[in-house]
Amino acid sequence: DIQMIQFPSSLSASVGDRVTITCRSTLSISTYLNWYQHIPGQAPNLLIYGASSLQGGVPSRFSGSGSGTDFTLTISSLQPEDFATYYCQQSYSIPWTFGQGTKVEIK
Amino acid sequence: QVQLVQSGAEVKKPGASVTVSCKASGYTFSGYYMHWLRQAPGQGLEWMGWINPTSGGTKNAQKFQGRVTMTRDTSINTAYMEVTRLTSDDTAVYYCARWVTGSSVDYMDVWGKGTTVTVSS
Repeated sequence: DIQMIQFPSSLSASVGDRVTITCRSTLSISTYLNWYQHIPGQAPNLLIYGASSLQGGVPSRFSGSGSGTDFTLTISSLQPEDFATYYCQQSYSIPWTFGQGTKVEIK
Repeated sequence: QVQLVQSGAEVKKPGASVTVSCKASGYTFSGYYMHWLRQAPGQGLEWMGWINPTSGGTKNAQKFQGRVTMTRDTSINTAYMEVTRLTSDDTAVYYCARWVTGSSVDYMDVWGKGTTVTVSS
């Protein structure tokens, strides 16, 4: 199985900060990498697919980059509604696997 | 709008079975595979498998083979997942999610809100 290593596991940031989350795969996955936002009690929300494509309806402050084994999710200016846990997920091979998540908390 | 509505929370005893349902609306049910995932307390998301609503064909993660069955009823646009021989390790929130696949992309774009399954004696 492909392992997804995500870091940091948590971070504290202020509204307006630029936030970067990193995800690394144990095998090359081309751009089969997706990012999700999860707020407890709600359905996970797709942010980025194909490593860098913004899902419809997602604010442009979210962006993704990378290919092969190294990927990043960037929030250019953190907003109050962005405090959540973020997961990367590879869809290159079955079983699809997720990073352990990055919890973004208010500083 | 496109949505997936899951069944309510369940409490089961070890050794029992549980079935979670996922009702789709706002799109053509047969046009998209449905995935199932779960998240145990304090853990990350875990992919369990998918079902092709048209054919009923399924693919499970190896760790769930023999214990997880995915079915669907196209007449009511609903997918089901049954987990048998429950243990405390199966305590989790279970999600269904719609799969979009295309040229060099595969992702789950719409998710249900989750069904909490608690296994306790």
